[in-house]
Amino acid sequence: QVQLQESGPGLVKPSGTLSLTCVVSGGSISTTNWWNWVRQTPGKGLEWIGEIYHSGTTNYNPSLKSRVTISVDKSKNQFSLKLSSVTAADTAVYYCARDSCSGGSCYSAYWGQGTLVTVSS
Amino acid sequence: DIQMTQSPSSLSASVGDRVTITCRASQNIISYLNWYQQKPGKAPNLLIYASANLQSGVPSRFSGSGSETDFTLTISSLQPEDFATYFCQQTYSTPYTFGQGTKLEIK
Repeated sequence: QVQLQESGPGLVKPSGTLSLTCVVSGGSISTTNWWNWVRQTPGKGLEWIGEIYHSGTTNYNPSLKSRVTISVDKSKNQFSLKLSSVTAADTAVYYCARDSCSGGSCYSAYWGQGTLVTVSS
Repeated sequence: DIQMTQSPSSLSASVGDRVTITCRASQNIISYLNWYQQKPGKAPNLLIYASANLQSGVPSRFSGSGSETDFTLTISSLQPEDFATYFCQQTYSTPYTFGQGTKLEIK
């Protein structure tokens, strides 16, 4: 059973960089899956941040693209999110998730438990 | 971006009721539509993928249908554990986008 676990600071200062890691257990990150970051706020709901394949290929949400970097570390079976120049609007619960794709349709059957990141001085 | 609009935003129903939630896409997404259930403090849980495919382990009282721009999630007979928030998600094109959610409450 695949499990994902987010970790990282729960508090980030404005203009700083948010950094989170998602450790994958129960399966290899080097499978035919995409690894996603999604965040959730009461105001904007669920927002897809971006995804990475084990080869390092990424897709980002254009609304965040200038500030986002998603990377993968296959030796540690984990992937990471960096979001720069954060503001209070980036305060959210951040989730990592594994996408499976079949016949062109992709879906997230495995999610981390989520981690709250607050942007505040 | 493809906009996903769910209706209703909230819904009150009783145990045993049949409930339908609707999701409309701003453009044709063929059948690349997923449904998730979320309970407070928990991550979303996949119920239906590709419009009508029941995820393994999900009770058969959940079903999905639709194509192109109009989709529905139906719960045939509400159980106490079904009171939660439901989201649709399109994965036709990035950025993947979600509906705003439908909160299902006990009447």
